[in-house]
Amino acid sequence: NAGVMQNPRHLVRRRGQEARLRCSPVKGHSHVYWYRQLPEEGLKFMVYLQKENIIDESGMPKERFSAEFPKEGPSILRIQQVVRGDSAAYFCASSPRRGLNEQFFGPGTRLTVL
Amino acid sequence: QKEVEQNSGPLSVPEGAIASLNCTYSDRGSQSFFWYRQYSGKSPELIMSIYSNGDKEDGRFTAQLNKASQYVSLLIRDSQPSDSATYLCAVNNLSGNQGGKLIFGQGTELSVKP
Repeated sequence: NAGVMQNPRHLVRRRGQEARLRCSPVKGHSHVYWYRQLPEEGLKFMVYLQKENIIDESGMPKERFSAEFPKEGPSILRIQQVVRGDSAAYFCASSPRRGLNEQFFGPGTRLTVL
Repeated sequence: QKEVEQNSGPLSVPEGAIASLNCTYSDRGSQSFFWYRQYSGKSPELIMSIYSNGDKEDGRFTAQLNKASQYVSLLIRDSQPSDSATYLCAVNNLSGNQGGKLIFGQGTELSVKP
């Protein structure tokens, strides 16, 4: 069974560019969560999505960040006009359903903004 | 007050000893509790979940939950150097739209000395 897959594993962007992070959940999982881990800080929730729906985006910065989980294909976390403070590890997790909320994490995308 | 609190450590124990990791949480409505292990530069790995008061054992790991005291702990018996990692406590309140997200503590760094 394939686990959560994320790509790219490492992404380097210059300030002002766009970053697109992709996440494919565990097969059969329809709930996807994005978390961010800043250097020397804990994991912080960003957004929770089900297929075609954003359920909770309370942890998402109001500007420049967006997320989607289309009917077909991976979930995408998009960061527009990146700044150095966006440099972090971005983790995606998935679960089979909301009630049984064991979340399994992907390997993460390490974003570096130059 | 932080929502989920852990001692940052480092907690140092000799090989073969019992390591005891503690976590307190502020939201009395919390219903699901998890321990993740994170090696440096890697993603969080789920090692225990617990949903009701009492103890839950899985191999060398025992999770303990006391909802009245808002306290959850993880015991690692016969600690091995390979257990050296950061242990993250995570809490979930399944009610409402915010029921999907995990709230993480800052993590406790465990070092097992040979």
